[in-house]
Amino acid sequence: SAVISQKPSRDICQRGTSLTIQCQVDSQVTMMFWYRQQPGQSLTLIATANQGSEATYESGFVIDKFPISRPNLTFSTLTVSNMSPEDSSIYLCSLRTGGSDNEQFFGPGTRLTVL
Amino acid sequence: QKEVEQDPGPLSVPEGAIVSLNCTYSNSAFQYFMWYRQYSRKGPELLMYTYSSGNKEDGRFTAQVDKSSKYISLFIRDSQPSDSATYLCAMKETSGSRLTFGEGTQLTVNP
Repeated sequence: SAVISQKPSRDICQRGTSLTIQCQVDSQVTMMFWYRQQPGQSLTLIATANQGSEATYESGFVIDKFPISRPNLTFSTLTVSNMSPEDSSIYLCSLRTGGSDNEQFFGPGTRLTVL
Repeated sequence: QKEVEQDPGPLSVPEGAIVSLNCTYSNSAFQYFMWYRQYSRKGPELLMYTYSSGNKEDGRFTAQVDKSSKYISLFIRDSQPSDSATYLCAMKETSGSRLTFGEGTQLTVNP
């Protein structure tokens, strides 16, 4: 499986500010995803980020709040904009690699706390 | 009603026990079924992946899918303290990209 790294691993931010989370993969992948895992809850898909096209957002998530970039096949960023305490969560980058189209792997996550 | 239901536990067992983790689902279009293990403060790690119904075995782990009952299971034999983690089931339809996750079951294996 691919090696996925995320930066930062954790951060504490003030209300109203924005944070950009980076996801780096050691191989080229077509489909990358961003998930959120709120405290005590399971993972929820925020958006799908394919290189060369606009990100596709799931119901309840909008581009103004969670802008995503996908400049190449090994890198993506997720920005959490105008943060509030409700945005405190773990944000996870995910991808599918070759072999089986349906095996999906996750990065280590970014633990965000908004005060 | 949630699409995927999973008992959050916590589940505590002695070392060497057989562990059974389960999920039920309501969406009959789910065809791909996965189990992830998530250690504290880490990302989910793919453990098992199965397509449609049947069993799949990998070492001490066995995944079962019963589509007629909309029920999947993960069995862990000879459980070890290192198996202590949260186990998440996940499912996907044939089309589309979205994985739908259960809430996760927190497992503790006591030495």
